[in-house]
Amino acid sequence: GESVGLHLPTLSVQEGDNSIINCAYSNSASDYFIWYKQESGKGPQFIIDIRSNMDKRQGQRVTVLLNKTVKHLSLQIAATQPGDSAVYFCAERGTSYDKVIFGPGTSLSVIP
Amino acid sequence: NAGVTQTPKFQVLKTGQSMTLQCAQDMNHEYMSWYRQDPGMGLRLIHYSVGAGITDQGEVPNGYNVSRSTTEDFPLRLLSAAPSQTSVYFCASSYSGTPYGYTFGSGTRLTVV
Repeated sequence: GESVGLHLPTLSVQEGDNSIINCAYSNSASDYFIWYKQESGKGPQFIIDIRSNMDKRQGQRVTVLLNKTVKHLSLQIAATQPGDSAVYFCAERGTSYDKVIFGPGTSLSVIP
Repeated sequence: NAGVTQTPKFQVLKTGQSMTLQCAQDMNHEYMSWYRQDPGMGLRLIHYSVGAGITDQGEVPNGYNVSRSTTEDFPLRLLSAAPSQTSVYFCASSYSGTPYGYTFGSGTRLTVV
């Protein structure tokens, strides 16, 4: 079935360092992947996405890498700031075009 | 303000009671969905709709009912509340097929005792 999971439930990084958040997915037919950020008490917010025909996509301070061979994607945050502290979810659009399935999330804490 | 509005923000129910969680959006989005989020877990899809009059089941639909009579509104009904339905519920909307354009509401925290 469709499922998305994350390797690490928590991650602590020093302010200014780079952060890497990992995600494993199980549905090789998924064609689209999204990273969301959720701050405490709020709904998730879109960060960056990547289609299955790409292996890398860059945004402002964020990069998503997709490795379809091992069904793994990662979110890299450059020069992590205190405002980056949040829970990060990867999500996939699976075999149903409109179904978006979320993983369990990684909590990122930035140490000043 | 444009966005997704969920009401109520907090609710306590007794086991067996029924209630409706409201969700409204003013962005003319075709696609709307309901997720639940349990502590330490990701969001699980309950039901979704690709347009007025069309709904479909997600990952965890049992115990919930939805309807979509207008583009703007997508209420979620709990038929007979159970403690296992204690969760935070999020409504989201987007133009159909554009998960990057998801707009989430601020959530409804539901406790069933």
